[in-house]
Amino acid sequence: DAGITQSPRHKVTETGTPVTLRCHQTENHRYMYWYRQDPGHGLRLIHYSYGVKDTDKGEVSDGYSVSRSKTEDFLLTLESATSSQTSVYFCAISVSAGAGTDTQYFGPGTRLTVL
Amino acid sequence: AQSVTQLDSQVPVFEEAPVELRCNYSSSVSVYLFWYVQYPNQGLQLLLKYLSGSTLVKGINGFEAEFNKSQTSFHLRKPSVHISDTAEYFCAVSDLGDSNYQLIWGAGTKLIIKP
Repeated sequence: DAGITQSPRHKVTETGTPVTLRCHQTENHRYMYWYRQDPGHGLRLIHYSYGVKDTDKGEVSDGYSVSRSKTEDFLLTLESATSSQTSVYFCAISVSAGAGTDTQYFGPGTRLTVL
Repeated sequence: AQSVTQLDSQVPVFEEAPVELRCNYSSSVSVYLFWYVQYPNQGLQLLLKYLSGSTLVKGINGFEAEFNKSQTSFHLRKPSVHISDTAEYFCAVSDLGDSNYQLIWGAGTKLIIKP
């Protein structure tokens, strides 16, 4: 258990409303990631963070922003939700695996529906 | 840029039969390789990983995978599947030297166990 929680676990919202998803870790790992999962696409990286206030874009960052004001929390915000952002969102942390790389461990996911 | 191909979107197999799930990656640079499993309505769980050393890697639940550098493949195998192996399996690759430990993901393979 990598000590990752996500909230909320389920959310239904309307087009145009802002939405914030929270990822919380208990073990002070430096790297955190937000992915979205859609059928046929596997996981696609939205944003990642390599430290407090240090973030960068991933493959599908348009329409999303992130913030990390504390090591343990990584927030994903949809400024104005659209139906194309209906998806399952996963947070991950990176844990040292030796040999110069890390292994990613995942939270339970948030299912977001935008009507 | 690195890409990952999982050649089968679904693999149906009878219970107690052997199974192979195929994964190929595009770049011949040094890589780290991972297989994750996602049971229905759950998050992703690390199944096994290849970082270095022996090309045959053993993971949890009786799964193993073989790294083949010349064929840029990392196929997952199990000699006898059980109904509880019903899940979606994801292959992921990380390039050696990626300081942000980003993973490139395949689209996933659904393993369907027939009784």
